[in-house]
Amino acid sequence: DAKTTQPPSMDCAEGRAANLPCNHSTISGNEYVYWYRQIHSQGPQYIIHGLKNNETNEMASLIITEDRKSSTLILPHATLRDTAVYYCIARTWGGSQGNLIFGKGTKLSVKP
Amino acid sequence: EAQVTQNPRYLITVTGKKLTVTCSQNMNHEYMSWYRQDPGLGLRQIYYSMNVEVTDKGDVPEGYKVSRKEKRNFPLILESPSPNQTSLYFCASTPRGGASSYEQYFGPGTRLTVT
Repeated sequence: DAKTTQPPSMDCAEGRAANLPCNHSTISGNEYVYWYRQIHSQGPQYIIHGLKNNETNEMASLIITEDRKSSTLILPHATLRDTAVYYCIARTWGGSQGNLIFGKGTKLSVKP
Repeated sequence: EAQVTQNPRYLITVTGKKLTVTCSQNMNHEYMSWYRQDPGLGLRQIYYSMNVEVTDKGDVPEGYKVSRKEKRNFPLILESPSPNQTSLYFCASTPRGGASSYEQYFGPGTRLTVT
């Protein structure tokens, strides 16, 4: 599985877009990029995933560079409830384990 | 409501006293797993199960047992808990197949303290 690199922390003003970067320069062609978040000691929550096309759902947008070496998770209008640790994971789907390897993630602090 | 439930949510116990943390999901998911989360170490998988009666070790299985006799339940058993098993535990379930197999649903967590 490709290793991902994220900044340890970021701040964002309430109501503004939060852009969380992730580097995955060793990603292979069949590895998806997944984003999860964890709000203080709660269970991680799935946000979005993608392979090479940009993706959008009700929670966020995922922008993947053309070379797939990096991606950005965008929360369009951050609220205080979006304060959490955000994890970027690159993983081949399918297979026998389904083990998501969570790194240290980015601690996003949304400030009023 | 689709959910993963865990019980108990908080538990303080003593070394050597057997305990079970229950996990149940109502989404008919084939795949279930247990993680533990410790400061500085992130989430690490303990055991997983691909279906009823099919279980396997994750990254940190020592000191733990699991069983999967029914699809919805996946209990975590600590036969003889030790202080180094003090941690925050999460159960997760996933539907099988396709890219959605990594849309894991996590339970609320069980905070275990072993003294």
